[in-house]
Amino acid sequence: KAGVTQTPRYLIKTRGQQVTLSCSPISGHRSVSWYQQTPGQGLQFLFEYFSETQRNKGNFPGRFSGRQFSNSRSEMNVSTLELGDSALYLCASSLAGEFLHFGNGTRLTVT
Amino acid sequence: QQQVKQSPQSLIVQKGGISIINCAYENTAFDYFPWYQQFPGKGPALLIAIRPDVSEKKEGRFTISFNKSAKQFSLHIMDSQPGDSATYFCAASIQTGANNLFFGTGTRLTVIP
Repeated sequence: KAGVTQTPRYLIKTRGQQVTLSCSPISGHRSVSWYQQTPGQGLQFLFEYFSETQRNKGNFPGRFSGRQFSNSRSEMNVSTLELGDSALYLCASSLAGEFLHFGNGTRLTVT
Repeated sequence: QQQVKQSPQSLIVQKGGISIINCAYENTAFDYFPWYQQFPGKGPALLIAIRPDVSEKKEGRFTISFNKSAKQFSLHIMDSQPGDSATYFCAASIQTGANNLFFGTGTRLTVIP
């Protein structure tokens, strides 16, 4: 069974731009979560989607948004990029909540 | 505010030795405590998890010890191998099944031959 796939693997953007990251969960998994990983703050929860509905949200500004499609694929969008948004963005999927399976992430660099 | 505190930040162990990583939490509502292993360039992978009604859980060379009264839990890696060299994260969540995991800051383990 294929794992969680995140695209692209690397992105370089300029301050003020916006970016969209994509995540394809493991087949059959309906829950998709997003995490931000930085050396300073570690792994922080962004939000979770289940059956196209946001079920849970972390403490991030409104510039961070996401959505989930009917096939469970998910996208995350960050608008008006700031230097501090440079991070590894991880997507994780699960059947119903437990046992998160993480993808290898998208490395976003904001210059 | 770090909800889960993890120590040490880094750890060097000889091959065959025992690696011990400790975590502590304050929120007594936490009821699910997983450990994740992360290799460079990869996402975290679930290693082992425990719930508060159990004091110890063992899977192969990996054991979680849980002390509910002290609000502490630890990961023991027996017979540590160079292939175990990775960053380990403890985590906690408030309700089982919730994907809002609060992660520790990570421990970089190096196992030297």
